[in-house]
Amino acid sequence: DAGVTQSPTHLIKTRGQQVTLRCSPKSGHDTVSWYQQALGQGPQFIFQYYEEEERQRGNFPDRFSGHQFPNYSSELNVNALWLGDSALYLCASSLSRGPTDTQYFGPGTRLTVL
Amino acid sequence: AQSVSQHNHHVILSEAASLELGCNYSYGGTVNLFWYVQYPGQHLQLLLKYFSGDPLVKGIKGFEAEFIKSKFSFNLRKPSVQWSDTAEYFCAVSGRYSGGYQKVTFGIGTKLQVIP
Repeated sequence: DAGVTQSPTHLIKTRGQQVTLRCSPKSGHDTVSWYQQALGQGPQFIFQYYEEEERQRGNFPDRFSGHQFPNYSSELNVNALWLGDSALYLCASSLSRGPTDTQYFGPGTRLTVL
Repeated sequence: AQSVSQHNHHVILSEAASLELGCNYSYGGTVNLFWYVQYPGQHLQLLLKYFSGDPLVKGIKGFEAEFIKSKFSFNLRKPSVQWSDTAEYFCAVSGRYSGGYQKVTFGIGTKLQVIP
């Protein structure tokens, strides 16, 4: 049973560029959440996708957008990158049976913006 | 809005010492509480969780946490740490919404270093 997978593992971009990160949820999970973890900080919630729609969003600008596909996999897009976007981006999947779901995390994508 | 505060950012212990990591949260309603662990080079893993019932929760690898509602706390404990417990520990909270979904808020994390 595969856990949460993310690609790529590392990425280097320059300011102003756009980036797309990908996530495949744990088998059987239908909900995907994205987090940004800056160095020395805890993960910060970006948004959550369920049934191909953004269900909740954290305090991130519109430059951050996402998508969920019918097979529950998800993408995180960041436009107009700036230095402060350098971080580890985590994807977590869960099963939305109610308010007591537990999230399983992937290994993350390390994004460096130069 | 919900928030999480972890009091100890860096803890150094000798093997066999007892561990207690503090975690306080703020949220006006019912909460789910979590402790996650991140071992060096590995991804975040769930250590234990509290949703309801017995406020003393037991997790993997001998860890436990106690939910004290009156103090808005969810401290993590282990009677005797091992070198392999060296990791970063994150407390997290999610408020229960009528819509049935949750947003998880993490603390800043506590780096635990266990010296052999």
